[in-house]
Amino acid sequence: KNQVEQSPQSLIILEGKNCTLQCNYTVSPFSNLRWYKQDTGRGPVSLTIMTFSENTKSNGRYTATLDADTKQSSLHITASQLSDSASYICVVSLQTGGGNKLTFGTGTQLKVEL
Amino acid sequence: GAVVSQHPSRVICKSGTSVKIECRSLDFQATTMFWYRQFPKQSLMLMATSNEGSKATYEQGVEKDKFLINHASLTLSTLTVTSAHPEDSSFYICSAKDRVGGYTFGSGTRLTVV
Repeated sequence: KNQVEQSPQSLIILEGKNCTLQCNYTVSPFSNLRWYKQDTGRGPVSLTIMTFSENTKSNGRYTATLDADTKQSSLHITASQLSDSASYICVVSLQTGGGNKLTFGTGTQLKVEL
Repeated sequence: GAVVSQHPSRVICKSGTSVKIECRSLDFQATTMFWYRQFPKQSLMLMATSNEGSKATYEQGVEKDKFLINHASLTLSTLTVTSAHPEDSSFYICSAKDRVGGYTFGSGTRLTVV
């Protein structure tokens, strides 16, 4: 069964600190992996997208890594800000005959505090 | 970048009435649009996939007569929740796929049926 598991489920950190979120997947055949940020009551916003051949991708203070061999990805947030408080969702794209199908992780709820 | 506009952002309706949610791609043509439902602290659940000019494909367990989807143009898809009941209360999110395969999400619609 194609699954995407994220850890931790929730995380609280102090402003200015760094944190790393994890994503393990069993989706196959793999097309690409995306990290999204979802604020409460809003739609997800794309942070990064990586294909099979990419190991790392940065977007400002966000850096995503991908190990396609172990089927693991991480999202590192540097110098966290209060506005980083949100749910972070790992989404893996499955290659199908009809195109790509997205499999969503359950998300990591991040709270940044003063 | 690609922008998807979703309206309304929140709606309250009486049980038994119908509600229409619109999803528009503002600066690109969306060949395919997706409709998701999200319960609190859970991941997005795909309800249906619609391709411009053809019937929507519904996921298993989703009633097509209750959740009517229309994708009449390359920039507009609508989801109509017919004869809404309190159990239909949820957060509905649309997503559009642009011509280069990227996925952009709308800002979501909070539906409350009273």
